[in-house]
Amino acid sequence: GAVVSQHPSRVICKSGTSVKIECRSLDFQATTMFWYRQFPKKSLMLMATSNEGSKATYEQGVEKDKFLINHASLTLSTLTVTSAHPEDSSFYICSAREGGREQFFGPGTRLTVL
Amino acid sequence: QKEVEQNSGPLSVPEGAIASLNCTYSDRGSQSFFWYRQYSGKSPELIMSIYSNGDKEDGRFTAQLNKASQYVSLLIRDSQPSDSATYLCAVNGPGTGANNLFFGTGTRLTVIP
Repeated sequence: GAVVSQHPSRVICKSGTSVKIECRSLDFQATTMFWYRQFPKKSLMLMATSNEGSKATYEQGVEKDKFLINHASLTLSTLTVTSAHPEDSSFYICSAREGGREQFFGPGTRLTVL
Repeated sequence: QKEVEQNSGPLSVPEGAIASLNCTYSDRGSQSFFWYRQYSGKSPELIMSIYSNGDKEDGRFTAQLNKASQYVSLLIRDSQPSDSATYLCAVNGPGTGANNLFFGTGTRLTVIP
C-alpha cells in the first residue's frame, strides 16, 4: 500500500517552455500532497503544500506564479514549472499523506532545462 | 524555524556491524519523527516512524527517541551492503495541522563487504 507515482520520471526541455509534472496516489486518497525540490547532494526543500480543492500554500521564497500547483482530486496533484530556465533544473519529488502523519514519496522527476 | 541536524558522514561500517545514525532537532514541540532512506538518484523511502519516547523496533531497524534531549537515532543491525544509502531524519510539528516535514541534510552510510 501507500504507493505514489510521478510522471514523467525525466524531462529535458528548452528554456522558456513550461513543464507539467503529475503526482498520483495509487492506492489511497491523499488529503494533502507536498512538492519538494532537491539539488545534488542537498536535502529536500519543501516548495508547497496542497490540499484537494483548495489553493496551495507556498513556502517562503517559492514563486507561486512560476510553480503552479493544482490538486484537483484526492489522487492527483500537478506541478507546472512555467517559463523554465536552467536554474530550475532539479529533482522534483512529490509526497502524499492520507490523513495520518506519514508522508509517502513518489519516485521523483528529474528536470533538465537547456 | 525548525532545524534538524545530522552528521553528514560519510559513515562507514563493515558488513554485519551495527550502524548508528543520529539526529537532533531544535523545536521542542515536535511530535513526529521519521527516518527515510534515499538511494542515489532516487526519492526517499520511509523506513521508520516514531512518536513517543523510547525504542521502536522493526526488523533490523530500531528507532530511538528522547524528547527531553531532542534527539532521535536509528540503529541498523547486521548491516548489509544494500543498506548503503543516505539516511534522512525528518521531523514535524505538534498537532495534525502541522503538515510540514523538516528534513536534515542526511547521513551517507557505506557498508563495506
